[in-house]
Amino acid sequence: DAGVIQSPRHEVTEMGQEVTLRCKPISGHDYLFWYRQTMMRGLELLIYFNNNVPIDDSGMPEDRFSAKMPNASFSTLKIQPSEPRDSAVYFCASSQAGSYEQYFGPGTRLTVT
Amino acid sequence: GENVEQHPSTLSVQEGDSAVIKCTYSDSASNYFPWYKQELGKRPQLIIDIRSNVGEKKDQRIAVTLNKTAKHFSLHITETQPEDSAVYFCAATSSYNTDKLIFGTGTRLQVFP
Repeated sequence: DAGVIQSPRHEVTEMGQEVTLRCKPISGHDYLFWYRQTMMRGLELLIYFNNNVPIDDSGMPEDRFSAKMPNASFSTLKIQPSEPRDSAVYFCASSQAGSYEQYFGPGTRLTVT
Repeated sequence: GENVEQHPSTLSVQEGDSAVIKCTYSDSASNYFPWYKQELGKRPQLIIDIRSNVGEKKDQRIAVTLNKTAKHFSLHITETQPEDSAVYFCAATSSYNTDKLIFGTGTRLQVFP
C-alpha cells in the first residue's frame, strides 16, 4: 500500500482565496483524521470521520473551515476565505477500526500571504 | 478537560547516552498510549505504543513504561544515535471519544556525536 496520500504538498495562496486540501486514506481504513501543526499550537485535531461520517468537528477553528468525505477513499479540507493565520502544515491520518494506530500522510504545507 | 503533558520540551544528550521523555495524562479511562517520532520536515511516524493492560514494552533500543495509578508513561531510548534526533510526541486516547488521540506538545531530542 502507498500509505496515506495528500495533495498538494505545498500551497501558497493569497489572503481571501479558497484553498482545498486533499487526502486519500490507506485502503481498508475506517477512520480519517485531519490535523493542523504549527509551532505555537503543536498538533491539533481538526475533525475526524468514521465510515465517511464526521464524528467530531470540535477542533475546526471557525466557519471558514469545512471538511467532507464523499467516499471511503477521498476527503477534502477547505478553507474559504483563507487568512495568513491559517498558515501551517495540515496532516491527514487514517486508522483501522479497533486498532487505534494512526498513519499520517506527508502533509500539506500551506502558506497564506 | 482532557490533557496530555509532556516533559521536557527539549533534550540534548551525547551519542551513546540514554534519553527519557515523560508524559502525564488526565483521564484515567485512557487505554492506548502511542509515541510518534517526527523528523524535520517529515510526517509523524508511530515508533512504539502500549495498551493499558501492559506495564512495559520494548523494541530494540526503545521502550515504553506505563504507570496507570500515577497516570504517566515514559519513552526510554538507550544507546542514542544521531539519527534519533527528532521531535517525539506522546499521545493518549480520549475516553470521551475513544477513537481520538490527545497529543502532548512534543520533545525536541538532539543527539550530539
